Amino acid sequence: EAGVAQSPRYKIIEKRQSVAFWCNPISGHATLYWYQQILGQGPKLLIQFQNNGVVDDSQLPKDRFSAERLKGVDSTLKIQPAKLEDSAVYLCASSLAGSSGEQFFGPGTRLTVL
Amino acid sequence: KQEVTQIPAALSVPEGENLVLNCSFTDSAIYNLQWFRQDPGKGLTSLLLIQSSQREQTSGRLNASLDKSSGRSTLYIAASQPGDSATYLCAVISGNTPLVFGKGTRLSVIA
Repeated sequence: EAGVAQSPRYKIIEKRQSVAFWCNPISGHATLYWYQQILGQGPKLLIQFQNNGVVDDSQLPKDRFSAERLKGVDSTLKIQPAKLEDSAVYLCASSLAGSSGEQFFGPGTRLTVL
Repeated sequence: KQEVTQIPAALSVPEGENLVLNCSFTDSAIYNLQWFRQDPGKGLTSLLLIQSSQREQTSGRLNASLDKSSGRSTLYIAASQPGDSATYLCAVISGNTPLVFGKGTRLSVIA
């Protein structure tokens, strides 16, 4: 069974530029999550989708971050414009059974903002 | 607000030792608790998931226990190997909140 796929694996941009990350969850997983992991910290949830609807985006900085999951499968996370403090690893995860189900993570995208 | 704490932050042991990693959480009304492993520069690998009604789960040399009433979980690693070196993260789901992670324990197993 294929795991959660993410691209790109690494991205370096200058502050005020825009960047987008892509995630393809495990086939059949209705719930998709985006997390931000700053060095030395545990991951922090940014947004949770159930199919193509948003369940929780309370910790998403909506002035600069946006995410979509138009067909209930793939998802993109965008940052526009980026700030220095956005440097982190962005992790995508999926689960079969909603919030209480076991979550499976992709390899992440490491973003460096200069 | 759920908070998860992991102790110790870092641990170094010689190969072959049995070891225990600790996780505590402030809100005992959890749905489940999940232990993950993270290798440098990599994503998270799920190790064990314990439902709120369970007391422990085992997978190979790993055993995780859950004591909801005291807000604690432990991850026991038997006969540690250099390949076990990684950061171990504990995370809980409670109420309407999604996974809340601790900061992790960075484990080094010395050959």
